[in-house]
Amino acid sequence: DIVMTQSPDSLAVSLGERATINCKSSQSVLNNSNKKNHLSWYQLKPGQPPKLLIYWASTRESGVPDRFSGSGSGTDFTLTISSLQAEDVAVYYCQQYYSSPPYTFGQGTKLEIK
Amino acid sequence: QVQLQQSGPGLVKPSQTLSLTCAISGDSVSSNSVTWNWVRQSPSRGLEWLGRTYYRSKWYNEYAVSVKSRITINPDTSKNQFSLQLKSVTPEDTTVYYCARGNWGAKGAFDIWGQGTMVTVSS
Repeated sequence: DIVMTQSPDSLAVSLGERATINCKSSQSVLNNSNKKNHLSWYQLKPGQPPKLLIYWASTRESGVPDRFSGSGSGTDFTLTISSLQAEDVAVYYCQQYYSSPPYTFGQGTKLEIK
Repeated sequence: QVQLQQSGPGLVKPSQTLSLTCAISGDSVSSNSVTWNWVRQSPSRGLEWLGRTYYRSKWYNEYAVSVKSRITINPDTSKNQFSLQLKSVTPEDTTVYYCARGNWGAKGAFDIWGQGTMVTVSS
């Protein structure tokens, strides 16, 4: 199975500042046939289901604010929130869907306001 | 607009079977382009994919190794829904369960989620 490792486990950022979350996969999730990285990012808030933020590593889901961006390729990926808002407090997960199941998630990164 | 509506008991006794249903609106459980999944989330284990069902000229099911001996996911075309059954539950199965659509072709991600069901395993 592909193991996803996020860093840091928790992060405190001041309002308006940049937040960066990293995700590393144990093997490449770049599909050479479609040239896409099979990596997505989700936001999880208490009492709510996960919300898809980013897919194909860098494509923003419809309705997601443009302060959220994804980057990276192969085994190393980053989720960036350019200017942290109070409503961004949540746990963030990366997930790979390369090849066959299981579709593994990272352990999560808890984002708080400093 | 695609929506998933979960239903099922929030309390299950140890050794019994956990049963949840996910009703689909705005899409079809028999769609050839998506999959229908169950995921659970706990503070200790994070998000864990449990399994999926999907139709590609015939029905397929795939399950996570961690629950493979105990899990069944079934489609119900007459009601346009799918279900999760997890047998022989223990307190370790106490957590929040979600159904989710896997939109692999268009987005390669779980793009639609049910509201979640907190299931407690306790006598």
